[in-house]
Amino acid sequence: NAGVTQTPKFQVLKTGQSMTLQCAQDMNHEYMSWYRQDPGMGLRLIHYSVGAGITDQGEVPNGYNVSRSTTEDFPLRLLSAAPSQTSVYFCASSYGRGFAYEQYFGPGTRLTVT
Amino acid sequence: AQSVTQPDIHITVSEGASLELRCNYSYGATPYLFWYVQSPGQGLQLLLKYFSGDTLVQGIKGFEAEFKRSQSSFNLRKPSVHWSDAAEYFCAVMNSGGYQKVTFGTGTKLQVIP
Repeated sequence: NAGVTQTPKFQVLKTGQSMTLQCAQDMNHEYMSWYRQDPGMGLRLIHYSVGAGITDQGEVPNGYNVSRSTTEDFPLRLLSAAPSQTSVYFCASSYGRGFAYEQYFGPGTRLTVT
Repeated sequence: AQSVTQPDIHITVSEGASLELRCNYSYGATPYLFWYVQSPGQGLQLLLKYFSGDTLVQGIKGFEAEFKRSQSSFNLRKPSVHWSDAAEYFCAVMNSGGYQKVTFGTGTKLQVIP
């Protein structure tokens, strides 16, 4: 199993550009989440999904969109990039039932917005 | 709302010395608690988790943590630190009902000196 994969690893955008961060998992996990990590702030939840076709907002959703058309994929879209979105983005997945609650994290995407 | 506090931003220990990283949480019911480790440039890896039962939980890499309800704490310990333990450590709390909303602490960066 590849686990949770994220592409790209690095990205530089200009203010106002749009892009999609890709996330895929091959563990048949129901739950998937996007976090951003900023120095001194830990990880903050952007959006999450509890299954295909179901998404909801997390703690810091503004400026980001998500969709989940398949169990495997959970892309994160930046509609109009702003310097405040410079961060490291992590995708995570979990089974979401029983005691298998631990999240599996991807390697991250480092995004810089100039 | 649930929250996690990691009071130590940075800790330095000598190799071979013991380690304790502090974590305090706020949650109305019995929480699910986690410790994750993040090596530089990597995603997060689960060290250990607490759901119920024995309040002393063992994890990977020789780590353990103790859940103390009376103190709302879940401190991480290791009897003898190795240089490879240098990393950032995150405590997290998950609500025990509904969607598994996970809230992370701000992290503790561990430096190990020879």
